[in-house]
Amino acid sequence: AQTIHQWPVAEIKAVGSPLSLGCTIKGKSSPNLYWYWQATGGTLQQLFYSITVGQVESVVQLNLSASRPKDDQFILSTEKLLLSHSGFYLCAWSPQISNERLFFGHGTKLSVL
Amino acid sequence: GMPVEQNPPALSLYEGAESGLRCNFSTTMKGVQWFQQNHRGRLITLFYLAQGTKENGRLKSTFNSKERYSTLHIKDAQLEDSGTYFCAVENTGANTGKLTFGHGTILRVHP
Repeated sequence: AQTIHQWPVAEIKAVGSPLSLGCTIKGKSSPNLYWYWQATGGTLQQLFYSITVGQVESVVQLNLSASRPKDDQFILSTEKLLLSHSGFYLCAWSPQISNERLFFGHGTKLSVL
Repeated sequence: GMPVEQNPPALSLYEGAESGLRCNFSTTMKGVQWFQQNHRGRLITLFYLAQGTKENGRLKSTFNSKERYSTLHIKDAQLEDSGTYFCAVENTGANTGKLTFGHGTILRVHP
């Protein structure tokens, strides 16, 4: 069975500090990987997607970057956090061939102060 | 992105009641997914439909691509059904897994 693990569960960070969020998928080779962001009380917005190692496409510009250093790992980061980065970050995967179905991680709650 | 309209924005039900949620979209879509987000933020996939109707226990969902809507019906509501329900659609031709989410329906089930 496939499992998706996100870390950390929650972060409280200062404005201007760096950030790194991680996501690992086990039990599935070559998945499509995604980062979503949800403002408090809001809907979800796709930030990045990746269909293979080393390749990442940006969907929305939010002064964030993403990388896929390994087949099963997706990293979201920034060198300088903004207040507007606060929210809930969700990693998701889908099978390569049938990428309509998304499976989400538990999410990371980020508070920028 | 394409606008996705979800109704109602909020819904209160007593245990055992039933109701429906609706998702309207402005153009033809490839498929729709329904998610439940619990109080911890976890998103659980309820259904994926490319057409027709699917049923799972107390939940039933339909997708009418031609009429541009999807519904989620909950019967015999339970306390654990409380949460925010999102529909998300993928437009035809897209190959990025880019889903456009509705703004959600907040469901509260009361004893």
